Amino acid sequence: DTGVSQNPRHKITKRGQNVTFRCDPISEHNRLYWYRQTLGQGPEFLTYFQNEAQLEKSRLLSDRFSAERPKGSFSTLEIQRTEQGDSAMYLCASSPQGRTEAFFGQGTRLTVV
Amino acid sequence: GENVEQHPSTLSVQEGDSAVIKCTYSDSASNYFPWYKQELGKGPQLIIDIRSNVGEKKDQRIAVTLNKTAKHFSLHITETQPEDSAVYFCASVSGYSTLTFGKGTMLLVSP
Repeated sequence: DTGVSQNPRHKITKRGQNVTFRCDPISEHNRLYWYRQTLGQGPEFLTYFQNEAQLEKSRLLSDRFSAERPKGSFSTLEIQRTEQGDSAMYLCASSPQGRTEAFFGQGTRLTVV
Repeated sequence: GENVEQHPSTLSVQEGDSAVIKCTYSDSASNYFPWYKQELGKGPQLIIDIRSNVGEKKDQRIAVTLNKTAKHFSLHITETQPEDSAVYFCASVSGYSTLTFGKGTMLLVSP
């Protein structure tokens, strides 16, 4: 039983560089979410896909952030022109159709130096 | 938007004692309330959940209660063990099934 897979697990980048993270949801889960978690806080919602359609975006998702799920399977989250404030854990979760339970991956920890 | 408050922020208990974590929510349309356990460097793990049409749910040593009128729900862990030490998050769901999390409770169980 494979869970939600995220790559890379860790990413260190210089300020101003672009980064891209990948999420592979649990097989046949049609809903996919991205969350961001900073130290000592709970995860905060960024965006949500149902199949390939991006249905909701948080106001936290500035124009430097973009997410895609082109074939309704894996998803990518890109951050352009990274800033130190982007340093956080980026979490991906998926849910099966008709169910509310969300299952999280191990996250990608981003450090912007 | 939804707001979830969680208390306490830290909780220390002796092995074998019970632990209770409480949360309140603001959106009366919220209808699903999961609890997650997060260990250091890992993603949140769903441990138990409750829906708005149920008042209590139990799974071995953990239980969750929901009071819709008061808009609060609680996690109860009995016979705590050192491996229960982690950060616990409550959450609520409304709208497009997106989770709103509390700020977390760091539980420390001492042997």
